[in-house]
Amino acid sequence: EVQLVESGGGLVQRGGSLRLSCESSGFTFNIYWMSWVRQAPGKGLEWVANIKQDGSDKYYVDSVKGRFTVSRDNGENSLYLQMNSLRAEDTAEYYCARVAHNHCINGVCYPIVDVWGQGTTVTVSS
Amino acid sequence: QSALTQPPSASGSPGQSVTITCTGTSSDFGGYNYVSWYQHHPGKAPKLIIYEVTKRPSGVPDRFSGSKSGNTASLTVSGLQAEDEADYYCSSYAGGTNPFGTGTKVTVL
Repeated sequence: EVQLVESGGGLVQRGGSLRLSCESSGFTFNIYWMSWVRQAPGKGLEWVANIKQDGSDKYYVDSVKGRFTVSRDNGENSLYLQMNSLRAEDTAEYYCARVAHNHCINGVCYPIVDVWGQGTTVTVSS
Repeated sequence: QSALTQPPSASGSPGQSVTITCTGTSSDFGGYNYVSWYQHHPGKAPKLIIYEVTKRPSGVPDRFSGSKSGNTASLTVSGLQAEDEADYYCSSYAGGTNPFGTGTKVTVL
């Protein structure tokens, strides 16, 4: 069964850090672009970051550039999101996502996501 | 910032049809045929239900159909069922910084 399982969310103070992990199974991880997508409470879906199959290309939404770092370990079939200098507006459910088709223009990516994780909750207290 | 606008809500009775629109103001959207639709039940993982405007992934009922004309894409849910009550998001390249539309909550009356 194709599956993505996120972990690492929690409650953190403003300015703090968290590292999200996403463990994949049931598919060949290293042939896919991967994404992180988030949903703030009461808001819609927002693309956060994309990473290429070999980790050589990375893209971020402007609001997290310089604070978040996406990475992957193809040997461990895992995706990560290191989040530093967290702000109240980063409070959201964070989803790990497999990208079926990727299109990035001017630093923004428009992925077609065919597999989603269940999400992990990040709460930043002020 | 999403460049794709959806109505905040839509509703229909069981067995009826409901159509959700997704409108982009950029000409980029008009010429782009990678439009996807996602169904999201709160607390669960979103699910891809339409890709490349009209295609359905394996396992998605044919009650779900997509179309596009000019700068507006549409998702139609025919034969509404209780389990179709969810949030629906379109997604595409439309020049904005967020590929997802603003979202539509579908209520089954």
